[in-house]
Amino acid sequence: KAGVTQTPRYLIKTRGQQVTLSCSPISGHRSVSWYQQTPGQGLQFLFEYFSETQRNKGNFPGRFSGRQFSNSRSEMNVSTLELGDSALYLCASSLAGSTTQYFGPGTRLTVL
Amino acid sequence: DAKTTQPNSMESNEEEPVHLPCNHSTISGTDYIHWYRQLPSQGPEYVIHGLTSNVNNRMASLAIAEDRKSSTLILHRATLRDAAVYYCILVGVAQGGSEKLVFGKGTKLTVNP
Repeated sequence: KAGVTQTPRYLIKTRGQQVTLSCSPISGHRSVSWYQQTPGQGLQFLFEYFSETQRNKGNFPGRFSGRQFSNSRSEMNVSTLELGDSALYLCASSLAGSTTQYFGPGTRLTVL
Repeated sequence: DAKTTQPNSMESNEEEPVHLPCNHSTISGTDYIHWYRQLPSQGPEYVIHGLTSNVNNRMASLAIAEDRKSSTLILHRATLRDAAVYYCILVGVAQGGSEKLVFGKGTKLTVNP
C-alpha cells in the first residue's frame, strides 16, 4: 500500500506570495493532519480534516488554511507569505478512530 | 504544550540495546503512549504505542510503568539506521473524534559504529 505523498517536495517563494501544498493520504485513511516544523518551534499542529470537515485547529494565524476533498486528498494554503513561514510542512493520515498517524516526507518551503 | 519529558540526547553503540526513557506524570486514564522517530530529512515515523500493558513489535518494545507515569522505548539491537530523534507523545481522543499529536523536543539518539 502506498504511503502518504506530498507535492511538491521543495518550493521557493517570495514574501507576499501565496502557496498551495498538496497531500494524498494512504488509501482508506479519511483523517488528514498538517504540521509545521521549524528549527526554533519544532513540530507544531496546524489543523486536521476528516470527511471534508475541519475537526481541529492549532494556534496559527488565518493566513494558514486548508481543505479536504471527497477522495480524502487535502491541500493547505498559506497566503501573504512571511519569512517566518519557511519550514517543513508535514502531512499525516490516519484511519478513522485510530490514534496512529502516518507521515509523508514533507514539503520544504523557503520564503525569500 | 507537550506533556512528556525526555532527555535531550543519548548515545549508544551499534548492536547494543538502547533504553529511551519518557516521563508523563500527568497522563490521564485514556491517553495512549505513542513513540515516533524522525530520521534526518524525513517525516516522523510511527514506532509503537501502548495503553497499559507492555508492547512488542518488529521495531521495538515499549515498557510502561505500572502507574503509567513513565515509559521506556527499547531498541534491542541498535543499528546506525536507528540514529534519529525519538518523540514520546501522549495521544487522547478529543471531543468529536479528532486527534492531534503534540510534539516535544524529543531525544536525539546517536549510534556509534
